[in-house]
Amino acid sequence: EPEVTQTPSHQVTQMGQEVILRCVPISNHLYFYWYRQILGQKVEFLVSFYNNEISEKSEIFDDQFSVERPDGSNFTLKIRSTKLEDSAMYFCASSFTGTLDTIYFGEGSWLTVV
Amino acid sequence: GENVEQHPSTLSVQEGDSAVIKCTYSDSASNYFPWYKQELGKRPQLIIDIRSNVGEKKDQRIAVTLNKTAKHFSLHITETQPEDSAVYFCAATLSGGSYIPTFGRGTSLIVHP
Repeated sequence: EPEVTQTPSHQVTQMGQEVILRCVPISNHLYFYWYRQILGQKVEFLVSFYNNEISEKSEIFDDQFSVERPDGSNFTLKIRSTKLEDSAMYFCASSFTGTLDTIYFGEGSWLTVV
Repeated sequence: GENVEQHPSTLSVQEGDSAVIKCTYSDSASNYFPWYKQELGKRPQLIIDIRSNVGEKKDQRIAVTLNKTAKHFSLHITETQPEDSAVYFCAATLSGGSYIPTFGRGTSLIVHP
């Protein structure tokens, strides 16, 4: 079964540093997403991406966040200047259509900001 | 926007018992309700979903019911097993536009052998 893959699985970074989380969505999927889950809390939507542009974003996705699809396979989330409260599990997800379809999640990238 | 409330936050049952997790949603236009199971340190995985034109859906030991009038939906697990222990998230979403499910806070289900 095809899977969404994410790297790194775990990253520790100093506060103020830039972090890039990488994702390879399922190959024929067209919609891509980033979600965040702070330890013990619910999964929160960050941003969705379609046709090489952001289609929706949440209040969490402020100017320190950006997403990019630099080539035909990768989808990245960049956090420009990390804060302690950015420590969380970041899930990439993809879906074939944008409506009434199942989202497939990656294994997650655990980010620890110290 | 949509708001999803989920109860209980933790649920402890004996192996073989049934478990019920309930969610309510606020936006009457929502019409797709997936349930995800997340084992410790793993990704959320879809276990069952229901669309608003259906009142109940069953898949072996798992069933989901939907009451559109009351805007609530429930997950039922029968004959629970220790491997059912996980965090379960409900979600609600609206068709049309991007697929952005709003998640509930999750229920930690513990099945004691």
